[in-house]
Amino acid sequence: GENVEQHPSTLSVQEGDSAVIKCTYSDSASNYFPWYKQELGKRPQLIIDIRSNVGEKKDQRIAVTLNKTAKHFSLHITETQPEDSAVYFCAATGIDGLTFGKGTHLIIQP
Amino acid sequence: DTEVTQTPKHLVMGMTNKKSLKCEQHMGHRAMYWYKQKAKKPPELMFVYSYEKLSINESVPSRFSPECPNSSLLNLHLHALQPEDSALYLCASSLYGDRASFSYEQYFGPGTRLTVT
Repeated sequence: GENVEQHPSTLSVQEGDSAVIKCTYSDSASNYFPWYKQELGKRPQLIIDIRSNVGEKKDQRIAVTLNKTAKHFSLHITETQPEDSAVYFCAATGIDGLTFGKGTHLIIQP
Repeated sequence: DTEVTQTPKHLVMGMTNKKSLKCEQHMGHRAMYWYKQKAKKPPELMFVYSYEKLSINESVPSRFSPECPNSSLLNLHLHALQPEDSALYLCASSLYGDRASFSYEQYFGPGTRLTVT
């Protein structure tokens, strides 16, 4: 089955700086890579996703890149704000559904 | 309507009780999912219903029993649970239910916080 590794487990950045979270996956059949943001006590919220036929996707301050050859994908958040503080999960999906990474706790320092 | 709803929000049950969790969506999605999430951990897939038929059962103990009465509803029946089953139970749905088509956005409900005493 799919195995997704996510790093770092905790990331602390100054407000206004950029944050990058990286994930690798094992199953070359995986073709969809969503990113979820989960605030304390709340549901995971889909923030951006990318499919295997695209190398990069951007939505305002967030972007995701995908390198299929290396089997890794990354989340980039620019101009971080206090409301970006949360746990972020990457995921990959093949024929058996979503497999999540272990999560990154993003802390935005004022 | 782009929302998945779940009831109840919180549930406390003893190890001999029988209870049910409910999930509903009205987005016309054909796949529905149950996940279990422990504190500080990612969601773990338990069951997948595709076009109202159980398509994936990730080796979940039989004390958890899913049911999909129709394309909008998903239940999870609980019986003889253990304290280690205490967790947040999340329901999700996605547009397509074909097993090879999980590459579509999954939307999560708010979850049921379950405590087993």
